[in-house]
Amino acid sequence: NAGVMQNPRHLVRRRGQEARLRCSPMKGHSHVYWYRQLPEEGLKFMVYLQKENIIDESGMPKERFSAEFPKEGPSILRIQQVVRGDSAAYFCASSRGYSYEQYFGPGTRLTVT
Amino acid sequence: AQKITQTQPGMFVQEKEAVTLDCTYDTSDPSYGLFWYKQPSSGEMIFLIYQGSYDQQNATEGRYSLNFQKARKSANLVISASQLGDSAMYFCAMREDPNAGGTSYGKLTFGQGTILTVHP
Repeated sequence: NAGVMQNPRHLVRRRGQEARLRCSPMKGHSHVYWYRQLPEEGLKFMVYLQKENIIDESGMPKERFSAEFPKEGPSILRIQQVVRGDSAAYFCASSRGYSYEQYFGPGTRLTVT
Repeated sequence: AQKITQTQPGMFVQEKEAVTLDCTYDTSDPSYGLFWYKQPSSGEMIFLIYQGSYDQQNATEGRYSLNFQKARKSANLVISASQLGDSAMYFCAMREDPNAGGTSYGKLTFGQGTILTVHP
């Protein structure tokens, strides 16, 4: 039973480029959370999605960041025109529902040069 | 709003000894859950233990136990018989009870973490 998959594991982008981070939830899970971990800090909630719906995006920066979870395929976190401050580890977690345990993926380490 | 505080940036322990990692929290929610996660140097987040705010007994999972003191709003993690492989970053986290009618939708709030180093 495969766990939560994230790819790529490491991503390097130059300032101004776009970053696309993918998250495939565990089988049977239709809820996805995205968290960001800045260097030397704890994880901070960004967005919560169910299939085809954004439920809570209260932690998303107002500009350049977007997320989707289509009916088919992985959840995508998209960062447009990346800046150095976007360098961080981005984790997704999946669950069967918001009252169930969240299982974390291995994370994507984004480095902006 | 929920807040988690971990006041120990780093802790050291001798192998085979016990260690306590501190966590205090602040919330106005009557029902909530508390979690501990381990993050080794490889970076993944490993779930260790969970405590519900209405649980009568402290949670235990193998060598991990959670010292839950509701009145003090503390949820300290106790690791018994430390092993070299326990060296990692440890995060305390909480969430509002998703079934309590709020709008947190189960999102987790994390503390800053404590780096634990186990010496041989």
